[in-house]
Amino acid sequence: RKEVEQDPGPFNVPEGATVAFNCTYSNSASQSFFWYRQDCRKEPKLLMSVYSSGNEDGRFTAQLNRASQYISLLIRDSKLSDSATYLCVVNNAGNMLTFGGGTRLMVKP
Amino acid sequence: DAGVIQSPRHEVTEMGQEVTLRCKPISGHNSLFWYRQTMMRGLELLIYFNNNVPIDDSGMPEDRFSAKMPNASFSTLKIQPSEPRDSAVYFCASSLRAGTNEKLFFGSGTQLSVL
Repeated sequence: RKEVEQDPGPFNVPEGATVAFNCTYSNSASQSFFWYRQDCRKEPKLLMSVYSSGNEDGRFTAQLNRASQYISLLIRDSKLSDSATYLCVVNNAGNMLTFGGGTRLMVKP
Repeated sequence: DAGVIQSPRHEVTEMGQEVTLRCKPISGHNSLFWYRQTMMRGLELLIYFNNNVPIDDSGMPEDRFSAKMPNASFSTLKIQPSEPRDSAVYFCASSLRAGTNEKLFFGSGTQLSVL
């Protein structure tokens, strides 16, 4: 079983739609969690951290469920520019970041 | 701030040749990471340094791979001899310090093709 698992997609949604991605992790001792965004042929960039209480940044909402060991990302009012691959990232100890395989999102006009 | 700088952007080489990838982290960042990305395996951590010292190299696939960080502003990842299965995008990343909540800044990557 992979340490961090994501549905690879692609998720094809129309502009304005709401879309949600989930990610599961295997290490119950994982300490911190993030979503990174990676555009085609570009480097990953931090989208947002994921806090236990859940957090929101504009149209993006991240939530953590430690009991079930999953993380979610909700995108409201999807824009064409949201098309990218979204990487779920888990930090188990120190600086050992483990990346999921990514979920590809395609927003269509 | 120039960000993390990697060179070359693209490298095409023949099997058996030595390949050296270079990275300049963001000035003032104390942690540096080398990742490899492929379609099949996603992003894999190869090695990371803290204050120029290798902390964990358990992700280095085999002895053909080696990494050095002679000073705070430069690191290399060397593959000798290279093989076709080493073809991937190699990313270097840095963070301000070691810690569970530190943001990683990635370079633009080196696309390596071994023929």
